[in-house]
Amino acid sequence: DAGVTQSPTHLIKTRGQHVTLRCSPISGHKSVSWYQQVLGQGPQFIFQYYEKEERGRGNFPDRFSARQFPNYSSELNVNALLLGDSALYLCASSFGRGGYTFGSGTRLTVV
Amino acid sequence: AQSVTQLGSHVSVSEGALVLLRCNYSSSVPPYLFWYVQYPNQGLQLLLKYTTGATLVKGINGFEAEFKKSETSFHLTKPSAHMSDAAEYFCAVSGIVLGGTSYGKLTFGQGTILTVHP
Repeated sequence: DAGVTQSPTHLIKTRGQHVTLRCSPISGHKSVSWYQQVLGQGPQFIFQYYEKEERGRGNFPDRFSARQFPNYSSELNVNALLLGDSALYLCASSFGRGGYTFGSGTRLTVV
Repeated sequence: AQSVTQLGSHVSVSEGALVLLRCNYSSSVPPYLFWYVQYPNQGLQLLLKYTTGATLVKGINGFEAEFKKSETSFHLTKPSAHMSDAAEYFCAVSGIVLGGTSYGKLTFGQGTILTVHP
């Protein structure tokens, strides 16, 4: 079985631009979460979707938004990029009590 | 609210020595606790988790952790370090289960970088 897949793996954007990050969960996993990991820190929770509904939101500005599709894949959108948005964005999927499985992440650099 | 504190941002051990990475948590509800490992330029890999039941949890690669409610701790140990254990380790806590089938958000500690010397 394929693991959690994220695309793209790397991305360079200019301040003020918009970015869309994509995540495909493990087949059968209905919960998808997004985390931001700034260099040298632990991951910070951004969003959780469960059965296509938003079930949690972290302390991030409204420039961050996400959605989950009927096939349980997910997109994270960030508008009006700031230098401080440069980070590794991690997607995780979950089913049952097996814990979260993380993807390899998308490295976003804002210049 | 939940929080995790990892004591020691850097831990250095010799190959073959005991590995001890410390994690203390704060949670207003019964916690679910996790340890993840992250190798450079990679995502997070689950080492082990505590949900309910036995407080001593065994994970992959010879790691184990013990849930101590009275001490609000979940320290990670390995009897004998290998060079391949060098990585960053994250402790995390979750407090809820959604619909009985998925945990809620994870709150992570700041991470501990483990260095293993030959």
